[in-house]
Amino acid sequence: EAGVTQFPSHSVIEKGQTVTLRCDPISGHDNLYWYRRVMGKEIKFLLHFVKESKQDESGMPNNRFLAERTGGTYSTLKVQPAELEDSGVYFCASSRRRRGEGGEQYFGPGTRLTVT
Amino acid sequence: QKEVEQNSGPLSVPEGAIASLNCTYSDRGSQSFFWYRQYSGKSPELIMSIYSNGDKEDGRFTAQLNKASQYVSLLIRDSQPSDSATYLCAVSGYSTLTFGKGTMLLVSP
Repeated sequence: EAGVTQFPSHSVIEKGQTVTLRCDPISGHDNLYWYRRVMGKEIKFLLHFVKESKQDESGMPNNRFLAERTGGTYSTLKVQPAELEDSGVYFCASSRRRRGEGGEQYFGPGTRLTVT
Repeated sequence: QKEVEQNSGPLSVPEGAIASLNCTYSDRGSQSFFWYRQYSGKSPELIMSIYSNGDKEDGRFTAQLNKASQYVSLLIRDSQPSDSATYLCAVSGYSTLTFGKGTMLLVSP
C-alpha cells in the first residue's frame, strides 16, 4: 500500500508570490489533514477534510491560505500571497477513521517551504 | 488552548537500556493518544496508539496511559542506536491531533 505523498518536497519562493502544495492520501482514506511545523515550534493542525468537505478549518492562519480537495481524492493547499512567516514544513496526513473508531493518522514526507 | 507538554531532552541512554519518554496533556476530553517517531528531516512515523487507561505493548515498545493524571508515557526496551530520534506525543479529541514539541532520544553504542 502506497503511503501519503506530497509534492513538491521543497519550495523556495519570494514574498508575495503564490505557492501550491499537493497531497495524495493513502488510497481509501476519506480523512485528509494538513499540518504545519514552523522552526522551533510544535506541529500544528491547519485543517481537516472528510472526503471533499472541510470538516474543520479552525487552524488555518488567515485567508491567504486556501485548501481544496476536489472529488475527495488529492488535496491542494495554496498560499497567496506568501509572507515570510509562512516558512516551515507542511505535512499532510490521512486516516481511514470512521466515527467512534481509532484515529491513526499517517503522515507524508512534508513540503519544506521557504519564503525569502 | 489545548497543550501537550514534553521534555525536550536530549534523553541519553546506553544501548540495551530502557528509555522512558513522558508526556502530559491539558484537555481532559482527549480520547486518543499517539506516539510518533521522527528522524531528522523525515516525516512523523506512527509507532504506538493507546485509547484506554493502562499499558499497551507492541514489540519493544510499551505505551502507558493515565487519564486521571493526564499523563502518557512510552517505554522502549533494549534501546538500539537506530532508536535515536525525536519522539512526538500527540493527543486527539475527535480527530485533529495536538502535538508536543517532542523529546530527542540519543542511544549510544
